[in-house]
Amino acid sequence: DAGVIQSPRHEVTEMGQEVTLRCKPISGHDYLFWYRQTMMRGLELLIYFNNNVPIDDSGMPEDRFSAKMPNASFSTLKIQPSEPRDSAVYFCASTSSTGGQTGELFFGEGSRLTVL
Amino acid sequence: AQKITQTQPGMFVQEKEAVTLDCTYDTSDPSYGLFWYKQPSSGEMIFLIYQGSYDQQNATEGRYSLNFQKARKSANLVISASQLGDSAMYFCAMREAYTGGFKTIFGAGTRLFVKA
Repeated sequence: DAGVIQSPRHEVTEMGQEVTLRCKPISGHDYLFWYRQTMMRGLELLIYFNNNVPIDDSGMPEDRFSAKMPNASFSTLKIQPSEPRDSAVYFCASTSSTGGQTGELFFGEGSRLTVL
Repeated sequence: AQKITQTQPGMFVQEKEAVTLDCTYDTSDPSYGLFWYKQPSSGEMIFLIYQGSYDQQNATEGRYSLNFQKARKSANLVISASQLGDSAMYFCAMREAYTGGFKTIFGAGTRLFVKA
């Protein structure tokens, strides 16, 4: 089975531009998470979804960030307008709450964003 | 509120020796899960081991074991017979079952260096 797929792997953009990061979770997983990783702040949970519904977006830094999950196989994280301090690696992860599984997260390879 | 603390920014260990990476947590939820993940220099996040709050025995997975001390709220990772390939960043994570749903937060991480 394919793992979590993120795109793009690398994105370089200029301040003020819109950035859209994409994620395809593992089929059958009912939870999807977006994390941001920086040297200064570590791994921060931005938002997570259960069955396509946002459950907790308290980690979203500000209104410039938005996330959607229109269906079970696709999610986007959008930054508009982007700023240099948004430069980070953005991870998408998914997991399943069913079947007695432990709920460990399956991570994508990350999207490295650089805002100039 | 959930909180995960990893107080060791960096650790050194000699190849073939055992090493313990510390993790303490704080939660008021009686049901929770504790995880360790490895992040090599290549950047991917790799799940290592899981411990449920009601598990009576410490979790083990090959050379990894989790020293779970519930009263002290600690969940230290023990790596036995260290290998050069164990050099990586290690993250402790916690998920609360009830109050936090499947919300999973991470500690700041410990960078492990294995010396030949």
